Amino acid sequence: SQTIHQWPATLVQPVGSPLSLECTVEGTSNPNLYWYRQAAGRGLQLLFYSVGIGQISSEVPQNLSASRPQDRQFILSSKKLLLSDSGFYLCAWKKDRDYGYTFGSGTRLTVV
Amino acid sequence: GDSVTQMEGPVTLSEEAFLTINCTYTATGYPSLFWYVQYPGEGLQLLLKATKADDKGSNKGFEATYRKETTSFHLEKGSVQVSDSAVYFCASRGYNKLIFGAGTRLAVHP
Repeated sequence: SQTIHQWPATLVQPVGSPLSLECTVEGTSNPNLYWYRQAAGRGLQLLFYSVGIGQISSEVPQNLSASRPQDRQFILSSKKLLLSDSGFYLCAWKKDRDYGYTFGSGTRLTVV
Repeated sequence: GDSVTQMEGPVTLSEEAFLTINCTYTATGYPSLFWYVQYPGEGLQLLLKATKADDKGSNKGFEATYRKETTSFHLEKGSVQVSDSAVYFCASRGYNKLIFGAGTRLAVHP
């Protein structure tokens, strides 16, 4: 069966520090991968998505970046965190022609 | 561009009350529509979906009907339980991505 793993579950980072969140999917190949952010009291905002290795589409300009170094690995990064980067980050995957998206359990990031 | 609008919360109900959470969408064409649920401290889980007009998605006593004429996908449940307390997200499937509404927090009291 397919599973999606996100880590860490919680993270507290100082302003200006770097960030690396990792997401991996098991049990499938060539998934579409997504990073969403949920800011406090707000809805879900799509940040990046990827349809293949090295292919990244950015939805919102910001100081975050994403990479897909392997087929089932999706990484969200920042060189210097801002206070406004705090939020709940969710990774998701789906197969190209499927309807449903499967979400990871999320990473709660607090920038202090 | 495509968008999803859902009623603002929080919605506070007593146990066994009837629930409606409104959701409307704008899109080119006829997207697939979804309701996701987020329990406290957890990620999102798919609750139900509908892929074409007049389809009714249902799960765990929740229902939603894809209404093309009103571009709506309202979530309903006849009798809510305390365990239904969560945040509910309506979503529309655009090209290569899901577009979410802002979410509606539901609190059910005994």
